[in-house]
Amino acid sequence: AQRVTQPEKLLSVFKGAPVELKCNYSYSGSPELFWYVQYSRQRLQLLLRHISRESIKGFTADLNKGETSFHLKKPFAQEEDSAMYYCALSGLRGSARQLTFGSGTQLTVLP
Amino acid sequence: DAGVTQSPTHLIKTRGQQVTLRCSPKSGHDTVSWYQQALGQGPQFIFQYYEEEERQRGNFPDRFSGHQYPNYSSELNVNALLLGDSALYLCASSLVTIEAFFGQGTRLTVV
Repeated sequence: AQRVTQPEKLLSVFKGAPVELKCNYSYSGSPELFWYVQYSRQRLQLLLRHISRESIKGFTADLNKGETSFHLKKPFAQEEDSAMYYCALSGLRGSARQLTFGSGTQLTVLP
Repeated sequence: DAGVTQSPTHLIKTRGQQVTLRCSPKSGHDTVSWYQQALGQGPQFIFQYYEEEERQRGNFPDRFSGHQYPNYSSELNVNALLLGDSALYLCASSLVTIEAFFGQGTRLTVV
């Protein structure tokens, strides 16, 4: 079975402070990991995927297979980063890839 | 490109009734997945359609069914509605190896 755990439902940091959103996963195979973000009144959108290894809006995430983690980090948080963040795992079942989401972390960046 | 569009945006139904939700995928995408997002939870995979066939199904009862048309648009049908079916229903479209793009969702309330 595939599972994604985001231990923090709420996270508050001050503007300019570093931020780390935690994500742990369980999957027997080679998963693809993603971070999705949902800004207020907007649709769920992809923030980054581990395969591309790129930095989007200053966020990075490293896949740690030993610890089965995919934590999202940003060195200096901005107020516009306030949003709901979901970690997701894409696993292959048969010919289909399905996303399994964590329960999300609401990030609030305080001025 | 309007991206993924879903209709209606909001819907109120009575327990026991049936409902149909609609989704038009992003241009060029041939795979449509449906997710249920209960309040305070991450999206949960319902099923995925590809080439007009249900390719994969999550842990949802047979009351949940779907359809995909030749133009790749899709419908989600829920029969014998229960109060617990109240949720945001998300449609996502993708190609085989491309990340999923989500619609704004349909907010279903069962009373």
